[in-house]
Amino acid sequence: AQTVTQSQPEMSVQEAETVTLSCTYDTSESNYYLFWYKQPPSRQMILVIRQEAYKQQNATENRFSVNFQKAAKSFSLKISDSQLGDTAMYFCAFMKHESQGNLIFGKGTKLSVKP
Amino acid sequence: EPEVTQTPSHQVTQMGQEVILRCVPISNHLYFYWYRQILGQKVEFLVSFYNNEISEKSEIFDDQFSVERPDGSNFTLKIRSTKLEDSAMYFCASSEGLAGVGEQYFGPGTRLTVT
Repeated sequence: AQTVTQSQPEMSVQEAETVTLSCTYDTSESNYYLFWYKQPPSRQMILVIRQEAYKQQNATENRFSVNFQKAAKSFSLKISDSQLGDTAMYFCAFMKHESQGNLIFGKGTKLSVKP
Repeated sequence: EPEVTQTPSHQVTQMGQEVILRCVPISNHLYFYWYRQILGQKVEFLVSFYNNEISEKSEIFDDQFSVERPDGSNFTLKIRSTKLEDSAMYFCASSEGLAGVGEQYFGPGTRLTVT
């Protein structure tokens, strides 16, 4: 069975600084997807970034980038130039390639961006 | 921007009662999902639904659960005989394509409290 572990329950960062959120996963699959979702306070969960395991190049979306280490089964999220609006719960998620939408989530990291 | 909506935002019910949680997915989406999050635990996949049938379900999704798309807009989760351990936040999601390719859009959730 697949598992996703986020070892940092809470983190804080100063506005404009860079922060990295950790995620590790366990799977015997060779082809899969990895995701970071963001859930602001009292708001919907939204997709931040997605990585396909067969792609070696790390995904980037504006200020958000990942460090995908397939052999180490690690998928960290880097947020550059942190903004107050980045304050949220961040969930790492895994999905098998052939899955019909079964996202397997980590427990989340609560990120606070301080002015 | 289109959003997934869910009603009610909070439902309180007595053990043994039936509840129906309602979701309105984004209108051009074809794939629908239910997840739940017990307080303090991970978000867990329940079921995915496509073309009017279940495409994947988890071990949690036993005979007391059912899903339906009764009309062109709603997607419902029914719990036939609620138990105390069904108390959780229930999230609906939808995607245009299969979740690996198409992003899952989440609703704000329904908090179910079983007393």
